[in-house]
Amino acid sequence: NAGVIQTPRHKVTGKGQEATLWCEPISGHSAVFWYRQTIVQGLEFLTYFRNQAPIDDSGMPKERFSAQMPNQSHSTLKIQSTQPQDSAVYLCASSPRNTLYFGEGSRLIVV
Amino acid sequence: GDSVTQTEGLVTVTEGLPVMLNCTYQTAYSDVAFFWYVQYLNEAPKLLLRSSTDNKRTEHQGFHATLHKSSSSFHLQKSSVQLSDSALYYCALSDRGNMGYKLTFGTGTSLLVDP
Repeated sequence: NAGVIQTPRHKVTGKGQEATLWCEPISGHSAVFWYRQTIVQGLEFLTYFRNQAPIDDSGMPKERFSAQMPNQSHSTLKIQSTQPQDSAVYLCASSPRNTLYFGEGSRLIVV
Repeated sequence: GDSVTQTEGLVTVTEGLPVMLNCTYQTAYSDVAFFWYVQYLNEAPKLLLRSSTDNKRTEHQGFHATLHKSSSSFHLQKSSVQLSDSALYYCALSDRGNMGYKLTFGTGTSLLVDP
């Protein structure tokens, strides 16, 4: 039984470039969450979807970050004009109800 | 908004000794659920235990925690740590109880168990 799949696992991008991160949730899970993980801030909530509909994007930096869930099998997190402070591990999680199942994350490094 | 505080960034304990990782919280909601997640090196965070009942001890894999709403705490404890317990531990809350809403996490506590 595959868990949450995130691609790419590692991405290095130049300042000002765009980065797109992909997430395939566990089949049958109705909710998909995006978190950003850093040593200083821990796990910061970004956004989440339920049954593909956006529910709460209160953690998203509004100007450069966007997330979509075009179908039940994948979600994307896009960061435009990346900045060094965007460097982090981006974690996707899916949930059938109240337990989050995390992927191994996408490590983004902005140079 | 909700907040979760984990005051220790790093806790070092000798194998076989007890440990307590602190977690306190602030929320305006009454129907709240609490979680401890553990993340081993190069792995995804995974659920260790959860609770939404005041003053009830919850146990899993040798760890236990009791929600105390009177002190807004949900500390994680283990009576005898093992080398394999070395990991990053996150405390979290959901302010919609068990309705599957977002979790607010603390900054995490790294537990290092020495032989």
